[in-house]
Formats: sequence, C-alpha cells, structure tokens
Amino acid sequence: GAVVSQHPSRVICKSGTSVKIECRSLDFQATTMFWYRQFPKQSLMLMATSNEGSKATYEQGVEKDKFLINHASLTLSTLTVTSAHPEDSSFYICSASDRGRNQPQHFGDGTRLSIL
Amino acid sequence: AQSVTQLDSQVPVFEEAPVELRCNYSSSVSVYLFWYVQYPNQGLQLLLKYLSGSTLVKSINGFEAEFNKSQTSFHLRKPSVHISDTAEYFCAVRTPPGGSYIPTFGRGTSLIVHP
Repeated sequence: GAVVSQHPSRVICKSGTSVKIECRSLDFQATTMFWYRQFPKQSLMLMATSNEGSKATYEQGVEKDKFLINHASLTLSTLTVTSAHPEDSSFYICSASDRGRNQPQHFGDGTRLSIL
Repeated sequence: AQSVTQLDSQVPVFEEAPVELRCNYSSSVSVYLFWYVQYPNQGLQLLLKYLSGSTLVKSINGFEAEFNKSQTSFHLRKPSVHISDTAEYFCAVRTPPGGSYIPTFGRGTSLIVHP
C-alpha cells in the first residue's frame, strides 16, 4: 500500500535552532500534503496544506514565517520550524493524498520535537 | 462545513470484553468516513473506511464499523479486545472528490484495555 515516510522521528535541540522535517511519499505522487500538530491527548490540528509547485495554504492562527513549508516535488514536502522555542515542542505529523484517486490520506510516523 | 464528535475521550475495558467507540458527524453533503488508530509516538494508521456500498465495513484485526445515515453515526466495534488494542482512535470525515479533500478529525478516544 501507499507509504509516507517522515524524517526525523525525534529531534531535541536548543532554543533558537531551526529544524527541518521531511515528508516523502514513497510509491505515489502526492500533489497535496498536509502538516498537522498534535498536542498530548488531543486530536490533530491542521497547520497547513502543502501544494506541489505553489505556496502552502496556512490555517488561521498558524504563523507562516514561523513554519515554512516547501513542496518542491511530487514526492517531498518539508516543514521548517524557524528559531524554535520551547512552546514549539510538539508532535508533528504529515500526510499525503493523491487527490486524483479515491484514497484516504496516508500518514507519516510523526516527528517528536523537543526544544530545550 | 463538517464536524466530527467522539463523545468518549477515554474508554476503559477488560481484555476479551466487547467495545464500542462512538462517532457522530454532521455534514450538509455526503461524506466518506474513516477510523484511524494511533499507537504511542507514532502517526495514524488507517483502520477502516466507508466510501460507498455496504454500510458495514470490517478491518483485518476484528474491528468493524457501521455507517448509519439516519443517525449520522459511524461507531467502531470489536467483539473481543486484546491488550494490544490499547491506543488512540480517531474518527474522520471527508467529502468525496470534487469537494474539499481536507478531512476533519474527531478529538480521539483513548481505548485502554486492562488484563
């Protein structure tokens, strides 16, 4: 079945560091990818929709300059948390969907980001 | 707009007992329905889905869900749970192709299976 790979699985870094998270669709072309943030014991909060070859669409309240999204190819989207601070610590999950097919989203295994 | 309600935030149950995780949705158009499972520190895995056809859908590990249009529900059931079923379960809805393809997730239900 369709697989989405997310890397790294865990990041621990100092405050002020920028962190890049990659999301790859391994066996299908993903015209659209999604980035979610999940707080402990809560549901997924959609942060942005990443569209190949165009600007990402951010949800209300999500800082575009803080969370940079790049979707340069049909198999790769990246989320960069710029100048990360402890409040950015969270579990980030990506998902991908081939919009042209009758398929649900496929999720990466998530990235646990811890900012010290 | 669409929304998903998972009434139970936590469901404790003993091993080998039956379980039902409730999911209700609201939408002005027809929807696709999904159940996802999330194990600790992992992403979501698709458990089962309803797109069309038979209203009763089953997964390979014994879970089943039934789409009830009149009650706008898609409850998840398993006749006998195992310790390994302990996880977070998310119900989600999405409109068919042609509509918004962004799914809406419920808040999740934590299934805790006790020995």
